[in-house]
Amino acid sequence: QKEVEQDPGPLSVPEGAIVSLNCTYSNSAFQYFMWYRQYSRKGPELLMYTYSSGNKEDGRFTAQVDKSSKYISLFIRDSQPSDSATYLCAMIGAGTGNQFYFGTGTSLTVIP
Amino acid sequence: DGGITQSPKYLFRKEGQNVTLSCEQNLNHDAMYWYRQDPGQGLRLIYYSQIVNDFQKGDIAEGYSVSREKKESFPLTVTSAQKNPTAFYLCASSVTGFDSPLHFGNGTRLTVT
Repeated sequence: QKEVEQDPGPLSVPEGAIVSLNCTYSNSAFQYFMWYRQYSRKGPELLMYTYSSGNKEDGRFTAQVDKSSKYISLFIRDSQPSDSATYLCAMIGAGTGNQFYFGTGTSLTVIP
Repeated sequence: DGGITQSPKYLFRKEGQNVTLSCEQNLNHDAMYWYRQDPGQGLRLIYYSQIVNDFQKGDIAEGYSVSREKKESFPLTVTSAQKNPTAFYLCASSVTGFDSPLHFGNGTRLTVT
């Protein structure tokens, strides 16, 4: 079983839709959770960084962590064509040897 | 502007040649990482370094080598022993410890024929 599972998609939505991206994980040592956006042929860009359970909002983006279910989500409101990219989740914790664990990424296309 | 610079963006080599990918950061981060990204496989850790003159193997270190002589630089050499070197290589850095996120460069696409 992989440490982090992420549906690869592809996911296609109309402009203005609310997008929900998700990852599940198996290691209860994970404490810090990240979402990255990666455009084609570019490096991942940090979108959200959260600690433990709860919600964090930044503009149109909301990151949600449910440690009891080992489930994290990224919501994108009022999606735009410029949001078309691959979204990666990542996580790390005190017991993971300073190594980050990544999902395989979800490909999102927002159709104008 | 603070950031991570990877060069070159595209690199072409013949089979059997060693090649070195450059990674420089001016974020004053202690930790630096090299990842390989292949379609459908996510990011796989090659090597990482928490401090100058020290580095550890990741999950797929075979056929690769690194050095960390300066805090801001972490070059990766892809040797001829790497059986399938064509890939997208990403360098990243973070403040040491598990409580800060990774920041990535824009990658080097290596093609070996």
